[in-house]
Amino acid sequence: DIVMTQTPLSLSVTPGQPASISCKSSQSLLHSNGKTYLYWYLQRPGQSPQLLIYEVSSRFSGVPDRFSGSGSGTDFTLKISRVEAEDVGVYYCMQAIHLPITFGQGTRLEIK
Amino acid sequence: EVQLLESGGGLVHPGGSLRLSCAASGFTFSSYAMSWVRQAPGKGLEWVSGISGSGGSTYYADSVKGRFTISRDNYKNTMYLEMNSLRAEDTAVYYCAKYGMTTVTTTGFDYWGQGIVVTVSS
Repeated sequence: DIVMTQTPLSLSVTPGQPASISCKSSQSLLHSNGKTYLYWYLQRPGQSPQLLIYEVSSRFSGVPDRFSGSGSGTDFTLKISRVEAEDVGVYYCMQAIHLPITFGQGTRLEIK
Repeated sequence: EVQLLESGGGLVHPGGSLRLSCAASGFTFSSYAMSWVRQAPGKGLEWVSGISGSGGSTYYADSVKGRFTISRDNYKNTMYLEMNSLRAEDTAVYYCAKYGMTTVTTTGFDYWGQGIVVTVSS
């Protein structure tokens, strides 16, 4: 199974400041078709996960442009340019190149 | 608007069975693969099972293989998870999730249901 490792596991950020979460996979997520199957989700308190970023860097419909994803191969990053109160929750990276689909442990973001 | 509504959860004794349902609306159900993902209390997300848009291909996590069966009825726009020989470690919130394509591989989830609680306890 592909192991997804996120750092840090928790983050406390002042509103308006940037935040960054790293995700590393134990195998390359680059498919022979040229796509890289790395996704980012946010699970707000008491809610189900919601898709933020797909295939490394594409923002899903309705996701604010303060969220951005980058990376390649096995190293990926989610960045929030200016954290807002509504960004509180747990962020998960996920790989979908090989079954079983696997998730990172989650990074809890709180507001200072 | 895509909507996924899980039902069928509850409390069951170890060794017992339960059938979860996921009613879908707002998209052409048969065109998309579907999945179950679970989250144990205070823990992270674990993929459980996936099924292709046609229902012809099914996949399972090793932790549930041989005990859980995923299926779908494309006429009723509903996906199911039959869970047998339940164990305490199956206790979790079970989410229904829609893939972005008709196949289970090389695609992630774009929409999730609100989740349903399954508790396995004596």
